[in-house]
Amino acid sequence: ETGVTQSPTHLIKTRGQQVTLRCSSQSGHNTVSWYQQALGQGPQFIFQYYREEENGRGNFPPRFSGLQFPNYSSELNVNALELDDSALYLCASSLVRGASVTGELFFGEGSRLTVL
Amino acid sequence: AQRVTQPEKLLSVFKGAPVELKCNYSYSGSPELFWYVQYSRQRLQLLLRHISRESIKGFTADLNKGETSFHLKKPFAQEEDSAMYYCALSEANTGNQFYFGTGTSLTVIP
Repeated sequence: ETGVTQSPTHLIKTRGQQVTLRCSSQSGHNTVSWYQQALGQGPQFIFQYYREEENGRGNFPPRFSGLQFPNYSSELNVNALELDDSALYLCASSLVRGASVTGELFFGEGSRLTVL
Repeated sequence: AQRVTQPEKLLSVFKGAPVELKCNYSYSGSPELFWYVQYSRQRLQLLLRHISRESIKGFTADLNKGETSFHLKKPFAQEEDSAMYYCALSEANTGNQFYFGTGTSLTVIP
């Protein structure tokens, strides 16, 4: 069983730039969620993708966008980077099967973004 | 609005002592409550969820709807319990958005 993998593990950008983070979900999982974790804080929900559609969004501006691909992998894109975007970005996959939801998130190790 | 509150950022206990990590929540619907744990140099992982009513690694957590609490307890702490613990809430049967607390760093002193 392959776990959740994320890339890159670390990256540094400057204000105003754009970044793309990637995530491969655990095998057998069809749902991907993205979380932002600032230093000393818990993970904050950005959005979730299910069947290639956004399935819920947290309190993040539109410059945070995402994609899910047919193989259930996902990307998180952030445009016009701001200093406050510096954080650990976590991807988590889960399995949704009709009305039955496992509720368990399987996390990747994260991509640490530093914005200078 | 803060939905999950973990009042203690740091908690230290001696090995063999009881430990309780506090979690209070604020949610008007039907919540599901979870505890996630992150051991040193490992990824965040599920420890237990309230609907399972299981004891995992000696830990238990009871959902108290009257006090809106979901405290994590273990009668005898072990050194390997040292980790970061996050209480989390999601709306029942959606598995959609999870709200995490700010976490409690537990250190078990040998």
